[in-house]
Amino acid sequence: AQSVSQHNHHVILSEAASLELGCNYSYGGTVNLFWYVQYPGQHLQLLLKYFSGDPLVKGIKGFEAEFIKSKFSFNLRKPSVQWSDTAEYFCAGAAGNMLTFGGGTRLMVKP
Amino acid sequence: DAGITQSPRYKITETGRQVTLMCHQTWSHSYMFWYRQDLGHGLRLIYYSAAADITDKGEVPDGYVVSRSKTENFPLTLESATRSQTSVYFCASSEEGIAEQFFGPGTRLTVL
Repeated sequence: AQSVSQHNHHVILSEAASLELGCNYSYGGTVNLFWYVQYPGQHLQLLLKYFSGDPLVKGIKGFEAEFIKSKFSFNLRKPSVQWSDTAEYFCAGAAGNMLTFGGGTRLMVKP
Repeated sequence: DAGITQSPRYKITETGRQVTLMCHQTWSHSYMFWYRQDLGHGLRLIYYSAAADITDKGEVPDGYVVSRSKTENFPLTLESATRSQTSVYFCASSEEGIAEQFFGPGTRLTVL
């Protein structure tokens, strides 16, 4: 069965710290991978996506993610977080018509 | 306004009542989806639709009914609400099943 897992449920960082959120997936074939962000009180927005090609993808607001096929991973990174990055982050994978989400990681950035 | 809207935004109901959550999109996207968001579970797919009159079950369909008579609308009905259905419900749409999904603002449903 397809699954996406995020091992960090809660992360607390100070401003300017570097961020890496883990995401692992289990899919047998071609997979499309996404990172979504949900700011407090808002709906989900797409941060970035990977379909094929360059495994290092860049998204909005300085975020990037690297697809490592051998590790079944698609970790999200940002070199220097800001207080406004406080949000919940969801990794998701699509195979066929269904998008499967990880459990989410709540990031709190302390000013 | 263009986009995807959900109504109501907040709903309180009682166990056993029927509740319908509405979702409307103006992009003419083929695919529409219903998710529920619960703490610790992320988003779980309830039902999705690939086109008008075509619907399919997701991960957690029990207790829910959907219909899609028009491309732009995708209502979700709880036939007999239970407390376990207290959740935040998100509707989404996309051009293709595996493409980027665009999410509505959500409906917070409380079943007493």
